[in-house]
Amino acid sequence: KQEVTQIPAALSVPEGENLVLNCSFTDSAIYNLQWFRQDPGKGLTSLLLIQSSQREQTSGRLNASLDKSSGRSTLYIAASQPGDSATYLCAVPNSGYSTLTFGKGTMLLVSP
Amino acid sequence: EPEVTQTPSHQVTQMGQEVILRCVPISNHLYFYWYRQILGQKVEFLVSFYNNEISEKSEIFDDQFSVERPDGSNFTLKIRSTKLEDSAMYFCASRENRDGETQYFGPGTRLLVL
Repeated sequence: KQEVTQIPAALSVPEGENLVLNCSFTDSAIYNLQWFRQDPGKGLTSLLLIQSSQREQTSGRLNASLDKSSGRSTLYIAASQPGDSATYLCAVPNSGYSTLTFGKGTMLLVSP
Repeated sequence: EPEVTQTPSHQVTQMGQEVILRCVPISNHLYFYWYRQILGQKVEFLVSFYNNEISEKSEIFDDQFSVERPDGSNFTLKIRSTKLEDSAMYFCASRENRDGETQYFGPGTRLLVL
């Protein structure tokens, strides 16, 4: 059964710092990995999807990497801003119809 | 940009009552999902739906739950007799027709069972 772990559970940084969020998964037979953002009490916003054939995916100040063989992904946020404060979730699909297994998330607080 | 919508945003119900949560997936998507998130816990998969039938369900999705696509646009989750532990945020998601595609999530329905 796929298990997804995210560390750290929480992170507090001053504005402007570059930071890295980590995600690990137990079953490396995945064909993609998705990073989401969740604001308090809100839904999930898809940030990046990396296919298993890719090693990196970039969107603006966000860069996600994937190392399938080691079962790891990182989300790099450059020049963090207070508006980046949210919980970041990673998720991998199970076999079949791509139902997702989620990590518990990293709660990020960026202070001005 | 197309988005998944859900209604209601909040629902409060008494234990034992039936609730129906509604979702309108993105119009050209073919795969539909329900997930839930109990406060402070992980987002958990409930059920997936394709070609007018359940394609996969988790152990959470017992006989109290059912899903339906009553018309060409809506996708519903019914909880027949709610329990206190059904209190959670329920998310609908949809995906286009290929493996590897992004799943798009709705804003969620917060269900509180008293």
